[in-house]
Amino acid sequence: NAGVTQTPKFQVLKTGQSMTLQCAQDMNHEYMSWYRQDPGMGLRLIHYSVGAGITDQGEVPNGYNVSRSTTEDFPLRLLSAAPSQTSVYFCASGGRAPGELFFGEGSRLTVL
Amino acid sequence: AQSVTQLDSHVSVSEGTPVLLRCNYSSSYSPSLFWYVQHPNKGLQLLLKYTSAATLVKGINGFEAEFKKSETSFHLTKPSAHMSDAAEYFCVVTPIGGSYIPTFGRGTSLIVHP
Repeated sequence: NAGVTQTPKFQVLKTGQSMTLQCAQDMNHEYMSWYRQDPGMGLRLIHYSVGAGITDQGEVPNGYNVSRSTTEDFPLRLLSAAPSQTSVYFCASGGRAPGELFFGEGSRLTVL
Repeated sequence: AQSVTQLDSHVSVSEGTPVLLRCNYSSSYSPSLFWYVQHPNKGLQLLLKYTSAATLVKGINGFEAEFKKSETSFHLTKPSAHMSDAAEYFCVVTPIGGSYIPTFGRGTSLIVHP
């Protein structure tokens, strides 16, 4: 019963490097999203998707790119990493009930 | 538009005493309301949800919440705290109708003393 799977769990980057955080879900959910979590800031929405081929920006999209070619996968790309992107990233998917989300375990990213 | 305010960033209780985590919301549409729990170094897990049925909602691990439309509140309670309840708790509102996008509160850290 996998649910939402995120990889990698930990990553260290140098400023200017690029990378992709992977997210996959096996619940056939239409809605998928990426959040970042920083101390005292709660969860902030980066990008979301309401179905394959459809993506939209959230609250803090700058410096991040997403695509949704399949229902299952929703990768998050950092184009040129900056220290301000040091954070814990969560992928979440949602089913029929609005707002009911299933979260991955998180990916902890450090940018030096 | 919608917003969520968690009135306390930290709540400290002793084991065996009641827990109250406060949440107020605003929403242009009828809301669905949720509480999520996050244990250290883990993802968020759904604790309970209100989706326009009974106003008193029971969740996992003895938690419950009451939807009060007149007060625009959805406070989370538990009669007796356990050490394992120490975690971060998030209140979330999603409009029924309008955008599907959930809005998160900033979280309340529950500290449980022995």
